Amino acid sequence: DGGITQSPKYLFRKEGQNVTLSCEQNLNHDAMYWYRQDPGQGLRLIYYSQIVNDFQKGDIAEGYSVSREKKESFPLTVTSAQKNPTAFYLCASTQLGRILFFGSGTQLSVL
Amino acid sequence: KNEVEQSPQNLTAQEGEFITINCSYSVGISALHWLQQHPGGGIVSLFMLSSGKKKHGRLIATINIQEKHSSLHITASHPRDSAVYICAVRKGAQKLVFGQGTRLTINP
Repeated sequence: DGGITQSPKYLFRKEGQNVTLSCEQNLNHDAMYWYRQDPGQGLRLIYYSQIVNDFQKGDIAEGYSVSREKKESFPLTVTSAQKNPTAFYLCASTQLGRILFFGSGTQLSVL
Repeated sequence: KNEVEQSPQNLTAQEGEFITINCSYSVGISALHWLQQHPGGGIVSLFMLSSGKKKHGRLIATINIQEKHSSLHITASHPRDSAVYICAVRKGAQKLVFGQGTRLTINP
């Protein structure tokens, strides 16, 4: 079955550490997105990519980095510059502005 | 003021009741999405609509472009419908703006 796989489900970050969240899709979608969800708030866009080797900053890109070396993969790195990284992170993909498919999310916490 | 506002924020109802969740937006849009988020966190797309009405099983979504308003209705609600329902509007080709969500609890 086609879908989006996010891993890990839970992740803990130590002070000063970079961590990477994985997002893989087998839907052959061109566009992929990373969102951050905080309690009581709507999803906020971190980065998005419309095509391989190209990506754009979203509304809250500071302290995050991404890469899109393969169509299927869009990993997100939470760097030590992100001072408040505790949140639920969701990866999504779509094709030509059609319906969105979401991964099951990664809960990132700070030790 | 948020560009997308949902109401109510929380809704508790008894099994079998007719449910309505509202979404108002203040920007020009090309499409509106209704999403469902279960307690585990995963999100499922329910509808994408740009005009009129769509129906899928017990779920109905309507949109009024002139009034910048959409509603999600659930008929014959069931405890398994308990989830957070999220409205999101598409501005342009790639930009989505999300509402804060409506937490729905259906009691047996």
